[in-house]
Amino acid sequence: QQPVQSPQAVILREGEDAVINCSSSKALYSVHWYRQKHGEAPVFLMILLKGGEQKGHEKISASFNEKKQQSSLYLTASQLSYSGTYFCGTGVKSYKLIFGSGTRLLVRP
Amino acid sequence: GAVVSQHPSRVICKSGTSVKIECRSLDFQATTMFWYRQFPKQSLMLMATSNEGSKATYEQGVEKDKFLINHASLTLSTLTVTSAHPEDSSFYICSAGRPGQGLDSPLHFGNGTRLTVT
Repeated sequence: QQPVQSPQAVILREGEDAVINCSSSKALYSVHWYRQKHGEAPVFLMILLKGGEQKGHEKISASFNEKKQQSSLYLTASQLSYSGTYFCGTGVKSYKLIFGSGTRLLVRP
Repeated sequence: GAVVSQHPSRVICKSGTSVKIECRSLDFQATTMFWYRQFPKQSLMLMATSNEGSKATYEQGVEKDKFLINHASLTLSTLTVTSAHPEDSSFYICSAGRPGQGLDSPLHFGNGTRLTVT
C-alpha cells in the first residue's frame, strides 16, 4: 500500500524552512527520500533505517519514527534549487521500494 | 556519472506496435532491477521487479503479457510494451540497487523513457 505524504504542495520563499511528512500503514524496514525535477529521474536525498542509522546529504535532515511508521524530511534555509517533487519510498520486508504520493515544493526568490 | 543508463529517452509509436526499452547498470552487476511507470503529476508506481536469470515479479494489476520483462544478463534489463495503446503513454523509469545491499542503500535511476502512443 502506498505511503501517504503531506502536504501535497508547499510554496516557500528562499531561505524559509519546510517539513514534509510520510506515513505508512505497514511496518517499515527503511524509508528513502528522493527529489524529482520535471521530466528527470529521481535523485537520492536520504535513507533512514530501523535502529537510527541515516545516510544522506549533509544539508538535509530527516527523522524516522519506527513505532508510528512515519518519517519527516526537514528542509532548512531553502534554496531555489530545492524546487521539485519530493517522494518518500518505504521498504517493507521484500527488496522493493514503494513510493508515496509526492509533495510538490516551489521555492520563490 | 550515471550508474544506470536507460534508452531511448523518448519514443513515439503507433497504436498496436511494440516498443522495447533498455536499462543498463554501468558500474555494477544488478541481479535485481525495478521498473516504474509515472503518469503526469503522479507518483512512481512500481510495475515489476526484474530478476536476472528468472521470471520477473509483477505488481498487482500489471499485465505480464503486455509488459514483457527480460533480464538476460547482470547488466541489462529490457521492458517491452506490446501492442501499445494511447493509454500506455507514460514515463517509464528503471532503477537498480547495488547487489547485496538491499534497501540499506539508494536506488540508482535511469533517466526515464517518455513513451507516446498515437
